[in-house]
Amino acid sequence: AQSVAQPEDQVNVAEGNPLTVKCTYSVSGNPYLFWYVQYPNRGLQFLLKYITGDNLVKGSYGFEAEFNKSQTSFHLKKPSALVSDSALYFCAVRVFISSGSARQLTFGSGTQLTVLP
Amino acid sequence: NAGVMQNPRHLVRRRGQEARLRCSPMKGHSHVYWYRQLPEEGLKFMVYLQKENIIDESGMPKERFSAEFPKEGPSILRIQQVVRGDSAAYFCASSPRDGYYEQYFGPGTRLTVT
Repeated sequence: AQSVAQPEDQVNVAEGNPLTVKCTYSVSGNPYLFWYVQYPNRGLQFLLKYITGDNLVKGSYGFEAEFNKSQTSFHLKKPSALVSDSALYFCAVRVFISSGSARQLTFGSGTQLTVLP
Repeated sequence: NAGVMQNPRHLVRRRGQEARLRCSPMKGHSHVYWYRQLPEEGLKFMVYLQKENIIDESGMPKERFSAEFPKEGPSILRIQQVVRGDSAAYFCASSPRDGYYEQYFGPGTRLTVT
């Protein structure tokens, strides 16, 4: 089975400060990892993904994430937060199984990020 | 290029009625996924379809729920005899292929069962 944990329901950060939203995963096999953002009453928007290669992945709106295999983590980061970054953030994982098929995206429970002016 | 479209955006049904949710994938995308988001929870996978085929329905409740993606037209998620517990936001996503491609999400349909 695959699972994703986002240990913080809420993260508050001052505008201009760096932000981190944490994500850890559990899979059998090589993970494909994703971050999505959801604004109120909207669908999810794709931010970035890790498939293979460089452990530091850069995405939309200045976000980046670091894949750490030993710690099974994929934390989302941004050097300088904006008030407009306030939203609900979801980490997700997918893994291919030996039969050639893929298990579907499994999402974490989400982290509400609030950037204070 | 239009994104994933879902309609209606809001749907109110009385207990026992049927709900039909529609999803038009992005142009060029032939893979469709349905997810459900209950209040205060993350998204849960329901079903994965390609044109005229259900590929993975491991997340679908065994009764009352069905999905299709016909050769022509949108994908439909159908909930028969709705109950209050079906109240949720239902999201559709599409991708050009399966695998490690990101999925693009629609704005969702918010179903309220009274």
